[in-house]
Amino acid sequence: DTGVSQDPRHKITKRGQNVTFRCDPISEHNRLYWYRQTLGQGPEFLTYFQNEAQLEKSRLLSDRFSAERPKGSFSTLEIQRTEQGDSAMYLCASSSDRRATGELFFGEGSRLTVL
Amino acid sequence: EDQVTQSPEALRLQEGESSSLNCSYTVSGLRGLFWYRQDPGKGPEFLFTLYSAGEEKEKERLKATLTKKESFLHITAPKPEDSATYLCAVQAGTNAGKSTFGDGTTLTVKP
Repeated sequence: DTGVSQDPRHKITKRGQNVTFRCDPISEHNRLYWYRQTLGQGPEFLTYFQNEAQLEKSRLLSDRFSAERPKGSFSTLEIQRTEQGDSAMYLCASSSDRRATGELFFGEGSRLTVL
Repeated sequence: EDQVTQSPEALRLQEGESSSLNCSYTVSGLRGLFWYRQDPGKGPEFLFTLYSAGEEKEKERLKATLTKKESFLHITAPKPEDSATYLCAVQAGTNAGKSTFGDGTTLTVKP
């Protein structure tokens, strides 16, 4: 069990640029989640995949955000035309369908700073 | 909409001084309540799952309990290494994937 891996760990970008984050889940986990967390707040749900299917997406997620999970393995989260309000920690989590869907195993996050 | 409120926001304890953290929730059809620990700069670490009122779970110095409206995380004789932010989350209704998190309680244990 190598844990959930996220890349890059830190990203600084200028407003208007596109950024992409990658998440590699625990190998036997078929569920994958993206959350966003700002300082002093709890994680906020963005989207959820079961295998390669995107089953849930937050209404808060603007159309500048898109996530994919080709072949049900790693996932990418892309933010287009970044805004300063997008600055946050982007957390990826995975879980197994042999456990409750709320028992999440998180990576260490990708911190985004938009200047 | 599901709501989770944690209190207090911050708690400072002396080593060995037991206390409790509170998580109040308002949901339609609770499917599970989850506790996590988060260290600075790291992702949350799963601790417990509680499903129904009256249920209790224990792990080392931590014990989580659940009622119909709230959950408590009891910390017995804490040590400095227990210092962290403790997050509570719920899953409810038909949302199989979404967890709604509270904003956490930041615990500091002084030696």
